[in-house]
Amino acid sequence: ETGVTQTPRHLVMGMTNKKSLKCEQHLGHNAMYWYKQSAKKPLELMFVYNFKEQTENNSVPSRFSPECPNSSHLFLHLHTLQPEDSALYLCASSPSLAWELFFGEGSRLTVL
Amino acid sequence: TQLLEQSPQFLSIQEGENLTVYCNSSSVFSSLQWYRQEPGEGPVLLVTVVTGGEVKKLKRLTFQFGDARKDSSLHITAAQPGDTGLYLCAGAPRDSNSGYALNFGKGTSLLVTP
Repeated sequence: ETGVTQTPRHLVMGMTNKKSLKCEQHLGHNAMYWYKQSAKKPLELMFVYNFKEQTENNSVPSRFSPECPNSSHLFLHLHTLQPEDSALYLCASSPSLAWELFFGEGSRLTVL
Repeated sequence: TQLLEQSPQFLSIQEGENLTVYCNSSSVFSSLQWYRQEPGEGPVLLVTVVTGGEVKKLKRLTFQFGDARKDSSLHITAAQPGDTGLYLCAGAPRDSNSGYALNFGKGTSLLVTP
C-alpha cells in the first residue's frame, strides 16, 4: 500500500457509542493531521502531530480524543458525539509542518 | 486564522469552455496551494505557488499567485468532464506566530457537462 489510508470509510454511530477512526501513512512523513469537513464550511483543522508529539489542538471538544503511537499511525477516538459532529473526517500527512498535505480518502461519520 | 475567500462558490459549464476561479485574502501568505477534491475522496494537491507574481501551468490548468501574495487564481482552458470537482485553495501562514496550519477556503464546486 502507498499513500494515506483511512478506515473505516463510513461509520454510523449513536450518541452513546464509542468508536475510533484510524489513519496510516506509508510516505515516511513526520507530521500528521486530522481535519473535519462539513458542508458549506472550510476545512477545519482539529489536531496536528509532529514526530508523534501533538503541536496543535484547535479548541476541539473533549469528545474527540487523538492518539499518535508513532509517525505512521494516527487515531481519532470518538465518544458521546452529537449529531452536529456528522461530517467527513480527513487525515493528512506532510514531510514537515506547513508543507504540502497528502490526504486520505476520509471517513464519513454519521451520528444519529 | 487568516481567511481565504473563494469565488465563485458554484460553477456549471459545458465541455470546452474556459473558466477562472479566484482565491482572495487580506492576509499575506508565504505560499499558497491548490487542491482538487472529487466526490467521496480526499483533496489531492495540484500545485504550490511561492513567489509573488508566479505563474505555473499544469496541462490545461494555469495557476497565478498575486504580486502581494494575498490572492491567487486558477484558469482552466477547454474544460473537460474529468475536471469536475471541488477546488480548494490553502494558504501557509507567513510567520510561525500564526501557527503551522494551512488556512483553507470553502472551495469552488465545478461541474463540467459533456
